[in-house]
Amino acid sequence: AQRVTQPEKLLSVFKGAPVELKCNYSYSGSPELFWYVQYSRQRLQLLLRHISRESIKGFTADLNKGETSFHLKKPFAQEEDSAMYYCALEEGDMRFGAGTRLTVKP
Amino acid sequence: DVKVTQSSRYLVKRTGEKVFLECVQDMDHENMFWYRQDPGLGLRLIYFSYDVKMKEKGDIPEGYSVSREKKERFSLILESASTNQTSMYLCASSAAGQVFLNYGYTFGSGTRLTVV
Repeated sequence: AQRVTQPEKLLSVFKGAPVELKCNYSYSGSPELFWYVQYSRQRLQLLLRHISRESIKGFTADLNKGETSFHLKKPFAQEEDSAMYYCALEEGDMRFGAGTRLTVKP
Repeated sequence: DVKVTQSSRYLVKRTGEKVFLECVQDMDHENMFWYRQDPGLGLRLIYFSYDVKMKEKGDIPEGYSVSREKKERFSLILESASTNQTSMYLCASSAAGQVFLNYGYTFGSGTRLTVV
């Protein structure tokens, strides 16, 4: 069963525009959710965790239990944000979504 | 300061060969994982291990096995490689408990396996 859904495989925005990468999850308990990012030719790395309520590189993500969503947002996209983004749900082991490739155009 | 090391960046193997993918971590992590990464499918969990000599099946264990004889090393074995196992393989490790929640998984740089 699909536990994490990222509905957009590709997302393209212009530099300076707001960006939102969608993530929906299916989990009956209290979820532990993460966003991971993979820049070109780099290893997959943790971007942020819902538990910390932090902002990393200008990105934030809010857990909405009613909508079972954990969308990643940034008010002003930069070209260096171009990467592959994965939403992940921890339930004893980490389950990842299919990923969204974000391209920020100049 | 590489913390999770995968022994090969690229591998080309023939159909039917037995293939070993090695992963070593130097963070004294309890948990280790093997994923395969395919376009449009994301990361799919193959096997994981919470302790030495322990292993658990993930979502797609068929055609694979694993070995964890030492805490720092987790090997993925393709018993008889097939072309549909051509993929990028990612190893990851994590600590347990609150440390994990703070730091998530640490990934290796991946092994791109091509089976011909």
